[in-house]
Amino acid sequence: LAKTTQPISMDSYEGQEVNITCSHNNIATNDYITWYQQFPSQGPRFIIQGYKTKVTNEVASLFIPADRKSSTLSLPRVSLSDTAVYYCLVEVGTASKLTFGTGTRLQVTL
Amino acid sequence: NAGVTQTPKFQVLKTGQSMTLQCAQDMNHNSMYWYRQDPGMGLRLIYYSASEGTTDKGEVPNGYNVSRLNKREFSLRLESAAPSQTSVYFCASSGEQGAAKNIQYFGAGTRLSVL
Repeated sequence: LAKTTQPISMDSYEGQEVNITCSHNNIATNDYITWYQQFPSQGPRFIIQGYKTKVTNEVASLFIPADRKSSTLSLPRVSLSDTAVYYCLVEVGTASKLTFGTGTRLQVTL
Repeated sequence: NAGVTQTPKFQVLKTGQSMTLQCAQDMNHNSMYWYRQDPGMGLRLIYYSASEGTTDKGEVPNGYNVSRLNKREFSLRLESAAPSQTSVYFCASSGEQGAAKNIQYFGAGTRLSVL
């Protein structure tokens, strides 16, 4: 079963745009791609969800190419409070098994 | 406005002891999940329940049992705790149709240490 992979960590300065990619080349055909944010000692929190193309809400954008084998979470103008671990969630394989990505630890500094 | 409530928040067990982690949600969700998160690692699905009366194994079910007591409550039981089960346990719930299926709401977690 192919893993759902993300970069382990990313660093950014405050005010920059950050793009985090998730590779899910075995995504189930009709599944949505969902992203979560997790702060230390807390449960993950929903950020954004999409099926294809581009989705934007008040905190982030999500870009999904036509083949849907990857997705990119875009955080505009990050602040120190965006320091967290970010996870993608997809269903993979013919059994449509829900799988979290490996997680990306984002560190934002001044 | 409680969402997903987990008890206890912290627990220390000795090897071989048993315990049950409790989870309740007040969002009228059909689907509920139990995950474990080891230090510095991602989330791994232990068991899930698509509706009251049904449960299915996730990625790491060995050593655990679950009970979907009613629509609100989903408990996780460790019959004979082992040090390898030291972890943070998260319960989550979600709607079951279309996009809502993957928008999961998480509890605050139970931090379990097995000595």
